[in-house]
Amino acid sequence: KAGVTQTPRYLIKTRGQQVTLSCSPISGHRSVSWYQQTPGQGLQFLFEYFSETQRNKGNFPGRFSGRQFSNSRSEMNVSTLELGDSALYLCASSLGLRDYEQYFGPGTRLTVT
Amino acid sequence: DAKTTQPNSMESNEEEPVHLPCNHSTISGTDYIHWYRQLPSQGPEYVIHGLTSNVNNRMASLAIAEDRKSSTLILHRATLRDAAVYYCILRLRNSGNTPLVFGKGTRLSVIA
Repeated sequence: KAGVTQTPRYLIKTRGQQVTLSCSPISGHRSVSWYQQTPGQGLQFLFEYFSETQRNKGNFPGRFSGRQFSNSRSEMNVSTLELGDSALYLCASSLGLRDYEQYFGPGTRLTVT
Repeated sequence: DAKTTQPNSMESNEEEPVHLPCNHSTISGTDYIHWYRQLPSQGPEYVIHGLTSNVNNRMASLAIAEDRKSSTLILHRATLRDAAVYYCILRLRNSGNTPLVFGKGTRLSVIA
């Protein structure tokens, strides 16, 4: 079956703009998590959604938000972009809350200029 | 959160076994040991996980010390495609889908 897909794969934005990234989990998976990866900070957890509800949130400012739809697809939004938001944003899905394997997508590379 | 310590980098010759160590001296009885790897230009990929006993799957083996304060991921025959950053992660057992807390990992280079 198809893996986790993320769109767009690459994005260039200007400081102050906002951006929306999309993630389609593996069919049947109900949990979606988002991570940010930068050279300096490595992989950091942003938030996790299950059944359209946010279940966990990492230590990121309120400019970072997300949501999950009834079909388990998820979006994350970053408002008022800063140069430091340039990163690879990774989405991961798993069957449910008590499953140990997370399946990652290829990521969206966001560049803020 | 319990922390893990891994070497920054390791090197292996192709078709030889690779032993990737991980120290987790503050592990609790309810922590599972997980390994993920990230190949260049890809998202992380699940490799294996275990609690107390050694585990094997098609990708690798996980050897867990008797006191659980350390573990070793074993790739039986390294190939060029195994060149990646390997992350050792502790996750609470039965705590729901707790987020993965990634450290710096070990960058494995495989030499032909």
